[in-house]
Amino acid sequence: QSLLTQPPSASGTPGQSVTISCSGGSSNIGSNTVHWYQQLPGTAPKLLINRNNQRPSGVPDRFSASKAGTSASLAISGLQSEDEADYHCAAWDDSLNGPVFGGGTKLTVL
Amino acid sequence: QVTLRESGPALVKPTQTLTLTCTFSGFSLTTSAMCVSWIRQPPGKALEWLARIDWDDDKYYTTSLKTRLTISMDTSKSQVGLTMTDLDPVDTATYFCATGCDHFDYWGQGTLVTVSS
Repeated sequence: QSLLTQPPSASGTPGQSVTISCSGGSSNIGSNTVHWYQQLPGTAPKLLINRNNQRPSGVPDRFSASKAGTSASLAISGLQSEDEADYHCAAWDDSLNGPVFGGGTKLTVL
Repeated sequence: QVTLRESGPALVKPTQTLTLTCTFSGFSLTTSAMCVSWIRQPPGKALEWLARIDWDDDKYYTTSLKTRLTISMDTSKSQVGLTMTDLDPVDTATYFCATGCDHFDYWGQGTLVTVSS
């Protein structure tokens, strides 16, 4: 059971916008920054968003993220077929003294 | 250009010890604020952080597996190693190494380890 809770699945059609939520607690999201990773089928995760809302170089601005209290969300606008992937949220946990991940959300582009 | 590559056995028997190696390039682990972590992902399941080693040789482990894990580095070879003792079928997973202390900027492709008799 992951300390960060994500919906197992999400879907949208090309061009639509979709939001993926990540819920945690006071020891992780509530007191630390949130990071998001994209994992395309059969590949390693790739850093998508760090420190709540910072996009590494090369990540399209269609991807954005936010955090409020003990929850965070990833938004994808202008959905494209290549966005079909698993999305994982993560945050440092002060109680465990290490990073924790969400269970992952499988995004399907219909 | 930062690259990481994991290597190790694909199949391990229960109760045996697993030894994995992460060979990296494009950075030095002796540079201040550099860290390398091991993260695993059982088939179809969530990512799980296992261990981290820092530029100053400080080491950190996930609480639940602390007694079974040892992380090490060989800066002369640009390698980080991970040993896990007393393997069980539930340890079957893809094992990744990645750079970063707080979040993970670069990842290796991962190596699938199956624990089975």
